[in-house]
Amino acid sequence: DTGVSQNPRHKITKRGQNVTFRCDPISEHNRLYWYRQTLGQGPEFLTYFQNEAQLEKSRLLSDRFSAERPKGSFSTLEIQRTEQGDSAMYLCASSLGLTYNEQFFGPGTRLTVL
Amino acid sequence: AQTVTQSQPEMSVQEAETVTLSCTYDTSESDYYLFWYKQPPSRQMILVIRQEAYKQQNATENRFSVNFQKAAKSFSLKISDSQLGDAAMYFCAYKAAQGGSEKLVFGKGTKLTVNP
Repeated sequence: DTGVSQNPRHKITKRGQNVTFRCDPISEHNRLYWYRQTLGQGPEFLTYFQNEAQLEKSRLLSDRFSAERPKGSFSTLEIQRTEQGDSAMYLCASSLGLTYNEQFFGPGTRLTVL
Repeated sequence: AQTVTQSQPEMSVQEAETVTLSCTYDTSESDYYLFWYKQPPSRQMILVIRQEAYKQQNATENRFSVNFQKAAKSFSLKISDSQLGDAAMYFCAYKAAQGGSEKLVFGKGTKLTVNP
C-alpha cells in the first residue's frame, strides 16, 4: 500500500457546476477525514468518518457540500453549485483509530472555480 | 474553541545549523495531543513529531525535538543539523484527547527555508 490517494489532483470548473472528489485511504484504516486548505492557511477540518458512519461535521460544511463513504472504504466529497470561494486544496487523511490517532494525509485535490 | 497560533510566517536557517519554530495554543482541556506536520512544496503532509499532554518528557525524533510547556501552552519545534530537505511549510496542530472530536486544529504554518 502506497498511502492515501486522491483523484483528481487538479480540477478546474466554472462557477455553478458540481464537482466530486475521491479519496482512497490506507487499506486497513477505518477513519477517514476531509480538510480544506486555502492559500496561506493551515488545513481546516470539514468532516470525519468511522467506517461508513459520518460522525463529525464542521460548520464549514455548508448544504452545498456532501461527503459519503458508502462501504467504509473510499470516500467522495461533492460540492454542488460551486462558488469562487470554494477554490482551495481539499485534503483527505486516514487513520487506524488508535489512541493518538496519527492521521496520514493524501496529496490533495486542488480546486479552481472560475 | 481551541486555537493554534504560529507567530512566525517565515523562518530561514543555514544548513547544519539549528532552528526553532514557535507554536502556542489555547484550550481549556487538560488532556490533548500536539503535533508538528511538515508539508514540502507540492507534496503531501507528513507527521514530524507528536506530544501527549500528560507526558512531561519532551518528545524527540532524531534531529527533531519539542519544547512542551503545558502551563504556558507553548509547543516549539527544534530542528538540529538542518538539511536542505527540511525546507517546507511546518504546521502545528492540536487534537483533543477526549470528548469525541477527532479533528486536528492547525495553525497557519511557518515556511522554513534552508540556505546552503
